[in-house]
Amino acid sequence: GAGVSQSPSNKVTEKGKDVELRCDPISGHTALYWYRQSLGQGLEFLIYFQGNSAPDKSGLPSDRFSAERTGGSVSTLTIQRTQQEDSAVYLCASSLVGSREAFFGQGTRLTVV
Amino acid sequence: EDQVTQSPEALRLQEGESSSLNCSYTVSGLRGLFWYRQDPGKGPEFLFTLYSAGEEKEKERLKATLTKKESFLHITAPKPEDSATYLCAAFSGGYNKLIFGAGTRLAVHP
Repeated sequence: GAGVSQSPSNKVTEKGKDVELRCDPISGHTALYWYRQSLGQGLEFLIYFQGNSAPDKSGLPSDRFSAERTGGSVSTLTIQRTQQEDSAVYLCASSLVGSREAFFGQGTRLTVV
Repeated sequence: EDQVTQSPEALRLQEGESSSLNCSYTVSGLRGLFWYRQDPGKGPEFLFTLYSAGEEKEKERLKATLTKKESFLHITAPKPEDSATYLCAAFSGGYNKLIFGAGTRLAVHP
C-alpha cells in the first residue's frame, strides 16, 4: 500500500479482555516501530523490529504487552487482560533500513471500559 | 537520561504572525532530529530531519534549524491550515527509537 495501515481504527473493549492491534508497514520497509500516545502526552516507545534481528522490547510497559512480526512485514501488538490505563492511541511506524525517517499510520484508538 | 522538551505547550497566532517553536534535547550521540506535524485523530506526518548543528531545512512556510542543544521550527506568515500539533523527536545513537517531546499545539486564527 501507499502508507502504513493500521486496524482497527477504533477499539472499545471491556477491562480484562485481550486485544490485538494490526499494522501493515510500507512495502519494502524493514524497520517497524510501535508507539503509544496517551491524551495530551508525547509518544511513548513500545517496541522496535528490524529485519530478522531480535526485537527491542525495552519500551513494553508490562508483560501483558507483546508483539510479533510475521514474515518481516505485518505486525500484531497484543495486550492481555486490558486495564483502563491501557486506553490510548497506538501508533505504528515503518522506515527503510539505514534511514530513521519513520512514517506513521493513523493509529488505533483503544478504549478500555 | 535522554530527553526532549518542547515549548511552548500551546501557541495561538493571528494569520500572518510569524513565530518559532522550540525543541531542546539531551541525548547521547544524536543521530537525527525530526519534526512531525500531527492533526487531530491522525498519525504524525513527517516534515524534516536535521543531522548536524547549523543545518537548516525549509518547506513552504516552515523552516527548521538545529544547534548542539536545541532545534527551532520557524513559521513565517502562518495560515489557519498550519494549525496542528508539532512534534519534535531525537534519535539517540545508543537506542533504536525516536524520543519524542510532548508537542506544541499551534492554533492560527484568521
